[in-house]
Amino acid sequence: NAGVTQTPKFRVLKTGQSMTLLCAQDMNHEYMYWYRQDPGMGLRLIHYSVGEGTTAKGEVPDGYNVSRLKKQNFLLGLESAAPSQTSVYFCASSYVVSEAFFGQGTRLTVV
Amino acid sequence: AQSVSQHNHHVILSEAASLELGCNYSYGGTVNLFWYVQYPGQHLQLLLKYFSGDPLVKGIKGFEAEFIKSKFSFNLRKPSVQWSDTAEYFCAVTSGGSYIPTFGRGTSLIVHP
Repeated sequence: NAGVTQTPKFRVLKTGQSMTLLCAQDMNHEYMYWYRQDPGMGLRLIHYSVGEGTTAKGEVPDGYNVSRLKKQNFLLGLESAAPSQTSVYFCASSYVVSEAFFGQGTRLTVV
Repeated sequence: AQSVSQHNHHVILSEAASLELGCNYSYGGTVNLFWYVQYPGQHLQLLLKYFSGDPLVKGIKGFEAEFIKSKFSFNLRKPSVQWSDTAEYFCAVTSGGSYIPTFGRGTSLIVHP
């Protein structure tokens, strides 16, 4: 079982560049999430989705956009990257009432 | 909004010492509670979870946690830690009909051999 797969695993961007992080899950989960992890800050929710075609803002949504066109995929976009977006990004998915399953993370550096 | 507090940010122990990590949440209604572990360079993995029933929950690798509703707490315990338990530990809560997990800031545990 692949579980939750994130691509890419590492990326370096220049300020102002754009990119899309892809998350794919093969567990037929309804809920999907994007978190960012920063030292001393724990995991902060960026955006989430409770089903195909739906998205909602989390705790720190500014500077990010998301789309969930297919149930198994959840894309996170950065339109104009800023150094403050340097972080480790984790995608996760879950059934409605269950634990979350996490991807391996994407380490993004914005210079 | 739900909030989760982990009061121990950094814990350093010697092997065989006992461990207790604190977790408190703010919501007063029905909650689902989780502890996750993140080994260095890896993703989060579930240690244990509580949905209902026996408030003492046993998880993997000898960990357990106790749900005390009156104290809004879900503390993680292990009687005897090992060097391989060195990791970051996160408490998480879902509540109030919203199944979106809220995480604490995490506790970094270092176990010296």
